[in-house]
Amino acid sequence: NAGVTQTPKFQVLKTGQSMTLQCAQDMNHEYMSWYRQDPGMGLRLIHYSVGAGITDQGEVPNGYNVSRSTTEDFPLRLLSAAPSQTSVYFCASRRKALGGTGELFFGEGSRLTVL
Amino acid sequence: AQSVAQPEDQVNVAEGNPLTVKCTYSVSGNPYLFWYVQYPNRGLQFLLKYITGDNLVKGSYGFEAEFNKSQTSFHLKKPSALVSDSALYFCAVSQSGSGNTGKLIFGQGTTLQVKP
Repeated sequence: NAGVTQTPKFQVLKTGQSMTLQCAQDMNHEYMSWYRQDPGMGLRLIHYSVGAGITDQGEVPNGYNVSRSTTEDFPLRLLSAAPSQTSVYFCASRRKALGGTGELFFGEGSRLTVL
Repeated sequence: AQSVAQPEDQVNVAEGNPLTVKCTYSVSGNPYLFWYVQYPNRGLQFLLKYITGDNLVKGSYGFEAEFNKSQTSFHLKKPSALVSDSALYFCAVSQSGSGNTGKLIFGQGTTLQVKP
C-alpha cells in the first residue's frame, strides 16, 4: 500500500525561485491537506481540499497556492520562495465523510530549505 | 477558535515506568481529540482518538488517553514505557459541527525520551 506519497523528499531553493511539492494518495480520500512543521510550533495547516475543484485556506496560506484537479493529487506551489518558508512539509488525507472524526494519513514529508 | 497546548517540551521516563504526556484544548463546541506519534524523519502516525462515549480510549502500542471535559484535557498514558516509545507526540483537536472540513489543529509536540 503506497498511502500518501510526497515528492521530493529534500529540496534546496534560492530566494525568489518557484517550485511545486507533489502529493498523491491512492486511498480515494476526498479530503487532502498540507501542513508545515517548524520546531516548537507543531504542525500548522496551510491549505486543504474537500474534493476535486474545491480548496480553502488554513492557518498560514500566504506564499502558497494549491489546486485540486483530481481526487488523487494535491500539489503545493511556492511562487517566490522566501527563507521563512524553510520547513518540513507534510501532506495528509482522510475520508471526507468522516469529517472531523476521521484520522489523517500522512506522507513522509518534504524538507525544504530556502537560502 | 480551536487551540491545543502541550505544556511540556520534553518528558523523560525510565523504561518500565508509567508515562504521561499532557494535553489541554480549547474549542467552542464538543471536541474531537487525537494523538499522533512521529518517529525521526517520518510522517505522523495515528495513535488514538476520542469522539464520544467512554472517557478512556485505548489505542496502538499499548497507549491510552483519558478525556476530561471539566479540565479540558486529553492526557496520553502508558502503564509501562519502552525505549522504542521514544518519539515526538502530538495532540490535536477538531470541532464537532464543522462538517466535512473538520480542520485538525495540532499542539506544539512533546518529545518523549525513555531511558533504559
